[in-house]
Amino acid sequence: QKEVEQNSGPLSVPEGAIASLNCTYSDRGSQSFFWYRQYSGKSPELIMFIYSNGDKEDGRFTAQLNKASQYVSLLIRDSQPSDSATYLCAVNGLTGGGNKLTFGTGTQLKVEL
Amino acid sequence: DAGVTQSPTHLIKTRGQQVTLRCSPKSGHDTVSWYQQALGQGPQFIFQYYEEEERQRGNFPDRFSGHQFPNYSSELNVNALLLGDSALYLCASSLPEYNEQFFGPGTRLTVL
Repeated sequence: QKEVEQNSGPLSVPEGAIASLNCTYSDRGSQSFFWYRQYSGKSPELIMFIYSNGDKEDGRFTAQLNKASQYVSLLIRDSQPSDSATYLCAVNGLTGGGNKLTFGTGTQLKVEL
Repeated sequence: DAGVTQSPTHLIKTRGQQVTLRCSPKSGHDTVSWYQQALGQGPQFIFQYYEEEERQRGNFPDRFSGHQFPNYSSELNVNALLLGDSALYLCASSLPEYNEQFFGPGTRLTVL
């Protein structure tokens, strides 16, 4: 079982729709959860982080965390073509004295006109 | 506010050679982490430096080594390069008490 799992996609949504991206993780000791956006040929950009169960909203983005189900999701409202990218889910377990991030393989999102 | 910077942008090496990649953290950050990202994969943690010491290490061989300088900048060294070392190498900086990590633009390494 992979430590962090994401559907590789592509996930295609029409412009203006809600895009829903999902991620599961295996380490119950995980403390912090992150969503990064990565455009083709570029480096990952941090767009959301969440530490507590529930929802966290920032503009068009909402991160949702359910530790009991070991599940994290990212909702993007009013999706725009500029949102087309790969979205990486990352988990931080604070084990080993550091704060390494463990990433999923990413979900490719395509927002169509 | 200067973000994370990395050099060089691109690098081409041949098998068996050695390479050094450089990273300067975001202003105010003192913790540097290095990741390797192969095509189509998520970044894989190599190691993290804090106070000039290796704080945590991922599952990478000893050919991968690093260093952090007093100004918090860092180097990643890879010896005896293999074809499989071809990847995007990412540096991320953070504060030790916070978990948010911010990535630099990366160095694209090609091993021929």
